[in-house]
Amino acid sequence: AQSVTQLDSHVSVSEGTPVLLRCNYSSSYSPSLFWYVQHPNKGLQLLLKYTSAATLVKGINGFEAEFKKSETSFHLTKPSAHMSDAAEYFCVVRAGNMLTFGGGTRLMVKP
Amino acid sequence: DAGVIQSPRHEVTEMGQEVTLRCKPISGHDYLFWYRQTMMRGLELLIYFNNNVPIDDSGMPEDRFSAKMPNASFSTLKIQPSEPRDSAVYFCASSSGQGNEQYFGPGTRLTVT
Repeated sequence: AQSVTQLDSHVSVSEGTPVLLRCNYSSSYSPSLFWYVQHPNKGLQLLLKYTSAATLVKGINGFEAEFKKSETSFHLTKPSAHMSDAAEYFCVVRAGNMLTFGGGTRLMVKP
Repeated sequence: DAGVIQSPRHEVTEMGQEVTLRCKPISGHDYLFWYRQTMMRGLELLIYFNNNVPIDDSGMPEDRFSAKMPNASFSTLKIQPSEPRDSAVYFCASSSGQGNEQYFGPGTRLTVT
């Protein structure tokens, strides 16, 4: 069985400052991990994915995530937040075709 | 490609009524997934199909829920009878091949009064 824990339900940053959204996972297998973003009243969009290649994964819009097996973590980062980054972010673990979603982190960006 | 298409985008209905949500996956995708998103439970997988065949429906909450995929380009999720606790956003997603990226539709926001 697999599970995902997003450690912060809300994160607030100022525009231009770094973003860190934390995610820990549990999986019986070598996991495939994803980050999705959901803007208000929109569907989910894939930001990036880890599938056992490089441990540092680069995604769209300047986001990246590092897979750390020893810490069972897959935190999402961005060096400089933009107002358009305000959204809800989901960390996801996949086993076969089954996706298990974390509870989500709402990112707020202050001007 | 237009992406995954869902209709309606919003549905308001009274308790006891039948509700049908529709999904058109991305052309060529052989997997289709139905999810439900609520504040209390987050995002949950309800059911998924491969080549129009239901593979895992263990997430379907109860017999009031049913899903069909009569062909590769269309799926429905039906709730009969609907209850207020069914109020949620229902997402459809599709993917190509085993374990590949899932592309999500914009969702249907269902309100049952």
